[in-house]
Amino acid sequence: DGGITQSPKYLFRKEGQNVTLSCEQNLNHDAMYWYRQDPGQGLRLIYYSQIVNDFQKGDIAEGYSVSREKKESFPLTVTSAQKNPTAFYLCASSIGQGGAGELFFGEGSRLTVL
Amino acid sequence: QKEVEQDPGPLSVPEGAIVSLNCTYSNSAFQYFMWYRQYSRKGPELLMYTYSSGNKEDGRFTAQVDKSSKYISLFIRDSQPSDSATYLCAMSPRIKAAGNKLTFGGGTRVLVKP
Repeated sequence: DGGITQSPKYLFRKEGQNVTLSCEQNLNHDAMYWYRQDPGQGLRLIYYSQIVNDFQKGDIAEGYSVSREKKESFPLTVTSAQKNPTAFYLCASSIGQGGAGELFFGEGSRLTVL
Repeated sequence: QKEVEQDPGPLSVPEGAIVSLNCTYSNSAFQYFMWYRQYSRKGPELLMYTYSSGNKEDGRFTAQVDKSSKYISLFIRDSQPSDSATYLCAMSPRIKAAGNKLTFGGGTRVLVKP
């Protein structure tokens, strides 16, 4: 079955630690995205990539980093510079700029900072 | 003021009732409107999309857009307990815009009681 796989589902981090969230897709989509979801707030875009080896900052990129070395993979690193990292993180993909805007989401990763 | 406003709920209704959800927005350039459904601890999935003003029906779901009032609605007829979820609106100034061009509402939590 085609889809997006995020791991881990739940992650606990101590302050000052970097953590990496995995996102893999087998939909053959060109574009991939990372969103952050906080209670009562809309999804906020962290980073996106429309092609391998290229990515752009979204609205809230500070304290995060990404890479796109393979079409299928778009890992997100939450660095110690992110002041409020506790949130639900969603990875998504879409067929690209010419698509109908439909995003396909993974099941999310919940990060809690202890 | 947020660009897209959505009542967070929860909205509790008895099974079989009509669920009425809405979003208001401030950007008059928005012309592509979507509704996503998100079950607890899962990623959102696209429910419906519509362009410009008017109605669109899909089974028990009806989406309405009133651009003059900057107001969109989603109606769920004959609601079922399986409709219990959070409903997110999303919009874009471009038809078929990529994910980096979408603006999301905060979501409304819906509970359908048997």
